[in-house]
Amino acid sequence: GAGVSQTPSNKVTEKGKYVELRCDPISGHTALYWYRQSLGQGPEFLIYFQGTGAADDSGLPNDRFFAVRPEGSVSTLKIQRTERGDSAVYLCASSLTGRNTEAFFGQGTRLTVV
Amino acid sequence: GENVEQHPSTLSVQEGDSAVIKCTYSDSASNYFPWYKQELGKGPQLIIDIRSNVGEKKDQRIAVTLNKTAKHFSLHITETQPEDSAVYFCAGDYNQGGKLIFGQGTELSVKP
Repeated sequence: GAGVSQTPSNKVTEKGKYVELRCDPISGHTALYWYRQSLGQGPEFLIYFQGTGAADDSGLPNDRFFAVRPEGSVSTLKIQRTERGDSAVYLCASSLTGRNTEAFFGQGTRLTVV
Repeated sequence: GENVEQHPSTLSVQEGDSAVIKCTYSDSASNYFPWYKQELGKGPQLIIDIRSNVGEKKDQRIAVTLNKTAKHFSLHITETQPEDSAVYFCAGDYNQGGKLIFGQGTELSVKP
């Protein structure tokens, strides 16, 4: 595609529910990243995929957060038992090879937990 | 540790003036330093980047300088225009890996 696409653009869920956020990277990009951005803050790293495997998941805050990229393209970020503190904009980015190459961001998914 | 400090947090300039945003980083192994512009409700957009083998890079009205010894890098915007108004983020790669560590952002306002 022309750019990184994230769906949905907005998601409102009740506390305790499960949510899935989807990211379609730029075609041919092997590296994919998830970040979380709270209001007035810079993006905070969550996880980085190189192909199908998670090369670095050190930013996932706890075991309620999980991400997959089964075919090395589309990725899904999964959040179990959502809490109000999970409310933020979740950003996805992709880059051609990963290390030291330009990362292009999607428009984000705004998650609101009520 | 992984840390990128950015300042100022807000910056207001008159149209046509220059704007400078500064960042410092802690990871001496960092080699890649991109700058992103984020408009309200949108994802960050890459505007310029620099790698550690160069000290300066310029693209029209935008330039970035890097001092690896001091672990400083700066964004310079000349001849600012109202459409430059946005939040700007600096970032550095951590441990030469794929992830970026972002600064806290600078809200730039260009007054006509």
